Amino acid sequence: AQSVTQLDSQVPVFEEAPVELRCNYSSSVSVYLFWYVQYPNQGLQLLLKYLSGSTLVKGINGFEAEFNKSQTSFHLRKPSVHISDTAEYFCAVSLAAGNQFYFGTGTSLTVIP
Amino acid sequence: EAGVAQSPRYKIIEKRQSVAFWCNPISGHATLYWYQQILGQGPKLLIQFQNNGVVDDSQLPKDRFSAERLKGVDSTLKIQPAKLEDSAVYLCASSLVRAYNEQFFGPGTRLTVL
Repeated sequence: AQSVTQLDSQVPVFEEAPVELRCNYSSSVSVYLFWYVQYPNQGLQLLLKYLSGSTLVKGINGFEAEFNKSQTSFHLRKPSVHISDTAEYFCAVSLAAGNQFYFGTGTSLTVIP
Repeated sequence: EAGVAQSPRYKIIEKRQSVAFWCNPISGHATLYWYQQILGQGPKLLIQFQNNGVVDDSQLPKDRFSAERLKGVDSTLKIQPAKLEDSAVYLCASSLVRAYNEQFFGPGTRLTVL
């Protein structure tokens, strides 16, 4: 069975500081990996995705993530956060051979002025 | 391009009542998803359609939840009868055919069961 673990439920960080949101997955087969962001009272929006190729993926709003197959991780990073980055961030996994989609429990990022 | 539309945005009902949610996906998107997001948790897939056929409904509580996607376009999700634990945000998303295609989410319907 596939699962997604987001190790930190809440991450407070000061404005302009770097941040890393952690995501680990378990799967015995090839997967696609995604990060979505959810602003208050809104639906989810795709930040970035890894399908194949380069393990470093760049997304919108200055975010990037690195796929590490040996550690089954897909951590999200941003070198300098803004107040507007305050939101809930979800890691998700999809089986490469199918259409099933699994979300993690989310990490609440709070940027402190 | 219009996004995924959902209605209503908010709904308050008493337990044992019935409720229905509506979703209109992005035009041309073959795949439609319904998710349940309980406060503090990630979205949980309830049902996935490809065109008007069901791809995955393994986590849909079929004794009380039902969904349909007539004509492969818009979709309705129904709960009958509702329980207190059904209080959640119900998200609809759509995508092109394959799993690696980006899912576009609607704003959700916040259901409160009293």
